[in-house]
Amino acid sequence: DGGITQSPKYLFRKEGQNVTLSCEQNLNHDAMYWYRQDPGQGLRLIYYSQIVNDFQKGDIAEGYSVSREKKESFPLTVTSAQKNPTAFYLCASSIEGTSGGETQYFGPGTRLLVL
Amino acid sequence: AQSVTQLDSQVPVFEEAPVELRCNYSSSVSVYLFWYVQYPNQGLQLLLKYLSGSTLVKGINGFEAEFNKSQTSFHLRKPSVHISDTAEYFCAVNPRMDSSYKLIFGSGTRLLVRP
Repeated sequence: DGGITQSPKYLFRKEGQNVTLSCEQNLNHDAMYWYRQDPGQGLRLIYYSQIVNDFQKGDIAEGYSVSREKKESFPLTVTSAQKNPTAFYLCASSIEGTSGGETQYFGPGTRLLVL
Repeated sequence: AQSVTQLDSQVPVFEEAPVELRCNYSSSVSVYLFWYVQYPNQGLQLLLKYLSGSTLVKGINGFEAEFNKSQTSFHLRKPSVHISDTAEYFCAVNPRMDSSYKLIFGSGTRLLVRP
């Protein structure tokens, strides 16, 4: 089955620690996205990648970093600079990321908690 | 800039009753419109989207939405809800601009279906 997988489902971060969230897709999509979801709020875009080895900051990129070395993979690192990392993180992909009106397909999410 | 308003944070309704979830948007350019559903601790799934043409859009699970340009609204409706429709529903817009990938989400409406 084609889809998006995210791991782990739950992740715990200690003070001052960097953690990496995994996102893999086998939909052959060019574009991939990372969103942050907080209770009572909609999704906010962290980073976006339209093609391998290229990515752009979204609305709340501070304290996060990404890489896009393979088409299928778009890992997100939450660095120690992110002071309030507790949230639900969602990865998504779309066919091209250049044409308006594209459907974005979402993974099941990773819940990050701070110890 | 664009924004999306979902005025109702929670909508309780009895099973088999009709429901309407409201969505209003603000934008200086025309937009594509989306409704997504999120079941507890899961990712988002597309319910329906409006790109062009008929203003009444039919989606999955018996949902439909109507685009009203003059009122800048895209309300979601279902004539008879089921317990399984209990979930959070997000309205989103995508500006019709060159190379625009961005989805701007509302804060969500939690639909609670009671027996």
